[in-house]
Amino acid sequence: DAKTTQPTSMDCAEGRAANLPCNHSTISGNEYVYWYRQIHSQGPQYIIHGLKNNETNEMASLIITEDRKSSTLILPHATLRDTAVYYCIASSNNDMRFGAGTRLTVKP
Amino acid sequence: EPEVTQTPSHQVTQMGQEVILRCVPISNHLYFYWYRQILGQKVEFLVSFYNNEISEKSEIFDDQFSVERPDGSNFTLKIRSTKLEDSAMYFCASRLGTDYGYTFGSGTRLTVV
Repeated sequence: DAKTTQPTSMDCAEGRAANLPCNHSTISGNEYVYWYRQIHSQGPQYIIHGLKNNETNEMASLIITEDRKSSTLILPHATLRDTAVYYCIASSNNDMRFGAGTRLTVKP
Repeated sequence: EPEVTQTPSHQVTQMGQEVILRCVPISNHLYFYWYRQILGQKVEFLVSFYNNEISEKSEIFDDQFSVERPDGSNFTLKIRSTKLEDSAMYFCASRLGTDYGYTFGSGTRLTVV
Protein backbone atom coordinates (compact mmCIF):
# COMPACT_ATOMS: atom_id res chain seq x y z
CA ASP A 1 0.00 0.00 0.00
CA ALA A 2 1.15 3.53 -0.75
CA LYS A 3 2.64 5.65 2.01
CA THR A 4 0.50 8.56 3.15
CA THR A 5 1.64 11.81 4.74
CA GLN A 6 -0.56 13.88 7.03
CA PRO A 7 0.08 16.90 9.25
CA THR A 8 0.66 15.93 12.85
CA SER A 9 -2.00 18.24 14.23
CA MET A 10 -4.59 20.83 13.24
CA ASP A 11 -7.04 23.09 15.00
CA CYS A 12 -10.47 24.11 13.83
CA ALA A 13 -13.11 26.45 15.24
CA GLU A 14 -16.42 24.92 16.19
CA GLY A 15 -18.99 25.34 13.43
CA ARG A 16 -16.39 25.91 10.75
CA ALA A 17 -15.32 23.44 8.09
CA ALA A 18 -12.35 21.23 8.95
CA ASN A 19 -10.18 20.41 5.94
CA LEU A 20 -7.73 17.61 6.57
CA PRO A 21 -5.12 17.03 3.86
CA CYS A 22 -3.36 13.82 2.93
CA ASN A 23 -0.57 13.21 0.46
CA HIS A 24 -0.29 9.85 -1.28
CA SER A 25 1.96 10.63 -4.21
CA THR A 26 2.89 6.99 -4.90
CA ILE A 27 -0.68 5.71 -4.92
CA SER A 28 -1.34 3.08 -7.56
CA GLY A 29 -4.38 2.86 -9.79
CA ASN A 30 -6.18 0.20 -7.80
CA GLU A 31 -5.66 1.74 -4.36
CA TYR A 32 -8.57 3.38 -2.61
CA VAL A 33 -8.20 6.28 -0.20
CA TYR A 34 -9.81 5.49 3.15
CA TRP A 35 -10.39 7.80 6.10
CA TYR A 36 -10.93 6.70 9.68
CA ARG A 37 -10.90 8.53 12.96
CA GLN A 38 -10.21 7.52 16.53
CA ILE A 39 -11.78 9.40 19.39
CA HIS A 40 -9.67 9.05 22.52
CA SER A 41 -8.94 5.32 22.91
CA GLN A 42 -12.08 4.04 21.26
CA GLY A 43 -11.94 1.75 18.24
CA PRO A 44 -11.23 3.50 14.93
CA GLN A 45 -14.35 4.61 13.12
CA TYR A 46 -14.73 4.39 9.35
CA ILE A 47 -15.61 7.74 7.76
CA ILE A 48 -15.46 7.50 3.99
CA HIS A 49 -13.47 6.10 1.08
CA GLY A 50 -13.04 6.73 -2.63
CA LEU A 51 -11.07 5.73 -5.68
CA LYS A 52 -11.19 8.61 -8.18
CA ASN A 53 -14.40 10.54 -7.76
CA ASN A 54 -15.25 12.84 -4.92
CA GLU A 55 -17.48 11.20 -2.35
CA THR A 56 -19.91 12.54 0.23
CA ASN A 57 -21.82 10.87 3.03
CA GLU A 58 -23.55 11.96 6.19
CA MET A 59 -20.25 12.39 8.01
CA ALA A 60 -17.91 14.02 5.54
CA SER A 61 -16.81 14.74 2.00
CA LEU A 62 -13.72 13.36 0.33
CA ILE A 63 -12.04 15.36 -2.40
CA ILE A 64 -9.42 13.48 -4.45
CA THR A 65 -7.23 15.41 -6.86
CA GLU A 66 -7.36 14.46 -10.50
CA ASP A 67 -3.88 12.94 -10.40
CA ARG A 68 -4.89 11.10 -7.17
CA LYS A 69 -1.70 12.14 -5.44
CA SER A 70 -3.50 13.90 -2.64
CA SER A 71 -6.90 14.14 -1.01
CA THR A 72 -8.77 16.25 1.50
CA LEU A 73 -11.31 15.13 4.06
CA ILE A 74 -13.87 17.83 4.78
CA LEU A 75 -16.02 17.94 7.89
CA PRO A 76 -18.45 20.68 6.88
CA HIS A 77 -19.47 21.95 10.31
CA ALA A 78 -17.04 20.71 12.92
CA THR A 79 -18.31 20.12 16.46
CA LEU A 80 -16.41 19.51 19.68
CA ARG A 81 -17.21 15.82 19.27
CA ASP A 82 -15.16 15.75 16.07
CA THR A 83 -11.98 16.17 18.11
CA ALA A 84 -10.06 12.98 17.25
CA VAL A 85 -7.09 11.53 15.40
CA TYR A 86 -7.89 11.21 11.69
CA TYR A 87 -6.17 8.56 9.60
CA CYS A 88 -5.76 8.56 5.83
CA ILE A 89 -4.92 5.14 4.35
CA ALA A 90 -4.25 4.15 0.75
CA SER A 91 -5.14 0.51 0.27
CA SER A 92 -5.75 -1.83 -2.64
CA ASN A 93 -8.17 -3.88 -0.54
CA ASN A 94 -5.31 -5.42 1.35
CA ASP A 95 -5.18 -5.14 5.08
CA MET A 96 -5.05 -1.55 6.25
CA ARG A 97 -2.06 -0.16 8.04
CA PHE A 98 -2.53 2.89 10.21
CA GLY A 99 -0.01 5.69 10.45
CA ALA A 100 0.20 8.40 13.06
CA GLY A 101 -2.69 10.42 11.58
CA THR A 102 -3.66 14.04 12.19
CA ARG A 103 -4.83 15.07 15.63
CA LEU A 104 -7.72 17.47 15.00
CA THR A 105 -8.75 19.67 17.89
CA VAL A 106 -12.05 21.51 17.51
CA LYS A 107 -12.10 24.60 19.70
CA PRO A 108 -15.15 26.48 20.98
CA GLU B 1 -26.73 0.09 13.43
CA PRO B 2 -24.87 -3.24 13.48
CA GLU B 3 -21.89 -3.42 15.83
CA VAL B 4 -18.78 -5.47 16.38
CA THR B 5 -18.88 -6.66 19.97
CA GLN B 6 -15.77 -7.42 22.00
CA THR B 7 -15.52 -9.08 25.39
CA PRO B 8 -14.24 -8.56 27.97
CA SER B 9 -13.71 -4.82 27.92
CA HIS B 10 -10.79 -5.16 30.31
CA GLN B 11 -8.73 -8.20 31.22
CA VAL B 12 -5.89 -8.44 33.69
CA THR B 13 -3.68 -11.49 33.50
CA GLN B 14 -0.43 -12.70 34.97
CA MET B 15 2.63 -12.98 32.79
CA GLY B 16 2.88 -16.44 31.25
CA GLN B 17 -0.87 -17.08 31.34
CA GLU B 18 -2.99 -17.75 28.29
CA VAL B 19 -5.71 -15.28 27.35
CA ILE B 20 -8.53 -15.46 24.84
CA LEU B 21 -10.04 -12.25 23.54
CA ARG B 22 -13.48 -12.62 22.03
CA CYS B 23 -15.21 -10.79 19.21
CA VAL B 24 -18.57 -11.11 17.53
CA PRO B 25 -18.28 -9.54 14.08
CA ILE B 26 -21.24 -8.19 12.14
CA SER B 27 -23.22 -11.20 10.99
CA ASN B 28 -22.98 -10.87 7.21
CA HIS B 29 -19.37 -9.70 7.14
CA LEU B 30 -16.80 -11.95 5.52
CA TYR B 31 -13.44 -10.45 6.47
CA PHE B 32 -12.13 -10.31 10.03
CA TYR B 33 -9.19 -8.58 11.61
CA TRP B 34 -7.30 -8.07 14.84
CA TYR B 35 -5.33 -4.92 15.61
CA ARG B 36 -3.62 -3.74 18.75
CA GLN B 37 -2.66 -0.35 20.14
CA ILE B 38 -0.08 0.03 22.85
CA LEU B 39 -0.82 3.09 24.97
CA GLY B 40 0.21 6.25 23.16
CA GLN B 41 1.27 4.42 20.00
CA LYS B 42 -0.16 3.64 16.57
CA VAL B 43 -2.87 1.15 15.76
CA GLU B 44 -0.94 -1.93 14.59
CA PHE B 45 -2.21 -4.67 12.29
CA LEU B 46 -1.96 -8.20 13.66
CA VAL B 47 -3.89 -10.58 11.41
CA SER B 48 -6.61 -10.88 8.82
CA PHE B 49 -8.94 -13.85 8.38
CA TYR B 50 -11.12 -14.84 5.47
CA ASN B 51 -12.80 -18.06 4.41
CA ASN B 52 -11.74 -19.77 7.64
CA GLU B 53 -8.08 -19.14 7.25
CA ILE B 54 -5.49 -16.48 7.91
CA SER B 55 -5.02 -14.21 4.88
CA GLU B 56 -2.17 -12.15 6.19
CA LYS B 57 -0.30 -11.62 9.44
CA SER B 58 2.20 -9.09 10.65
CA GLU B 59 5.57 -9.73 12.22
CA ILE B 60 3.96 -9.12 15.60
CA PHE B 61 1.70 -12.15 15.12
CA ASP B 62 4.21 -14.83 16.07
CA ASP B 63 3.70 -18.39 17.32
CA GLN B 64 2.31 -17.11 20.60
CA PHE B 65 -0.77 -15.80 18.79
CA SER B 66 -3.57 -17.70 17.13
CA VAL B 67 -7.03 -16.90 15.81
CA GLU B 68 -10.11 -19.00 15.42
CA ARG B 69 -13.67 -18.70 14.21
CA PRO B 70 -15.06 -21.68 16.06
CA ASP B 71 -18.78 -21.44 15.43
CA GLY B 72 -19.49 -19.06 12.56
CA SER B 73 -20.20 -16.12 14.82
CA ASN B 74 -17.32 -15.68 17.25
CA PHE B 75 -13.81 -14.67 16.24
CA THR B 76 -11.17 -15.16 18.90
CA LEU B 77 -7.58 -14.12 19.45
CA LYS B 78 -5.52 -16.32 21.74
CA ILE B 79 -2.21 -15.37 23.28
CA ARG B 80 -0.60 -18.53 24.62
CA SER B 81 1.89 -17.18 27.11
CA THR B 82 1.45 -13.49 27.76
CA LYS B 83 4.35 -11.11 28.19
CA LEU B 84 4.40 -7.69 29.78
CA GLU B 85 4.76 -6.12 26.34
CA ASP B 86 1.47 -7.67 25.22
CA SER B 87 -0.32 -5.08 27.37
CA ALA B 88 -2.38 -3.05 24.91
CA MET B 89 -5.85 -2.35 23.56
CA TYR B 90 -6.86 -5.09 21.16
CA PHE B 91 -9.39 -4.19 18.49
CA CYS B 92 -11.39 -6.59 16.38
CA ALA B 93 -12.78 -5.41 13.04
CA SER B 94 -14.87 -6.85 10.26
CA ARG B 95 -16.02 -5.83 6.82
CA LEU B 96 -18.51 -7.06 4.26
CA GLY B 97 -16.10 -7.11 1.34
CA THR B 98 -12.84 -5.69 0.14
CA ASP B 99 -14.53 -2.57 -1.26
CA TYR B 100 -15.91 -1.60 2.13
CA GLY B 101 -14.55 0.09 5.21
CA TYR B 102 -13.91 -1.73 8.43
CA THR B 103 -16.22 -1.68 11.43
CA PHE B 104 -14.20 -1.82 14.62
CA GLY B 105 -15.24 -2.99 18.04
CA SER B 106 -14.68 -0.92 21.14
CA GLY B 107 -11.68 -2.99 22.14
CA THR B 108 -10.37 -5.12 24.99
CA ARG B 109 -7.80 -3.55 27.26
CA LEU B 110 -5.32 -6.29 28.16
CA THR B 111 -3.07 -5.67 31.12
CA VAL B 112 -0.31 -8.18 31.79
CA VAL B 113 1.17 -8.00 35.29
